[in-house]
Amino acid sequence: EAGVTQFPSHSVIEKGQTVTLRCDPISGHDNLYWYRRVMGKEIKFLLHFVKESKQDESGMPNNRFLAERTGGTYSTLKVQPAELEDSGVYFCASSLKTGRGSYEQYFGPGTRLTVT
Amino acid sequence: GENVEQHPSTLSVQEGDSAVIKCTYSDSASNYFPWYKQELGKRPQLIIDIRSNVGEKKDQRIAVTLNKTAKHFSLHITETQPEDSAVYFCAARGFSGGYNKLIFGAGTRLAVHP
Repeated sequence: EAGVTQFPSHSVIEKGQTVTLRCDPISGHDNLYWYRRVMGKEIKFLLHFVKESKQDESGMPNNRFLAERTGGTYSTLKVQPAELEDSGVYFCASSLKTGRGSYEQYFGPGTRLTVT
Repeated sequence: GENVEQHPSTLSVQEGDSAVIKCTYSDSASNYFPWYKQELGKRPQLIIDIRSNVGEKKDQRIAVTLNKTAKHFSLHITETQPEDSAVYFCAARGFSGGYNKLIFGAGTRLAVHP
């Protein structure tokens, strides 16, 4: 079974540009999460999709970040326009149906974003 | 708000020694506590987890203990090996604003010296 995949693995952009990150969850996982780790600090929650619906977006830092999951499969996270403080590693994770008490979240390898 | 404190931030041990990493959580409603291991350049991997109805769980050389009253949980690694060297993250399931998100500690960098 393939794990969570993310693309690209690295992205270097200039301040003011736009970047789109992609996440493909494990097949059959309804739940998809985005997290971010900045400068060696804790991994911080950004948002949670259940299928194509945003269940919780309380961690999104501001309206420069837009996440979508059309069709309930893969997800994209767009940053527009990017700022220096957006640099970090963006992780995606997925899990089975929450209602069955399956809490385990499986992480992707992350996208390292550098804004210069 | 919800937070998880993790200590120590770095830990250096000799091969064969034990390592203990401690975490404290703030949300008394948290009921699930996973531990992730992230080796250099790789994804965080779930290594063990514990639910709030259990006080201790073991899997070979690793164990996790949970004290719900004190809101503490710990990771214990016995007979450490060089391949245990990695960053370890504790987390607690959070509920504020939604459900099922994980609130992470800042990580512990464990170095096991041969």
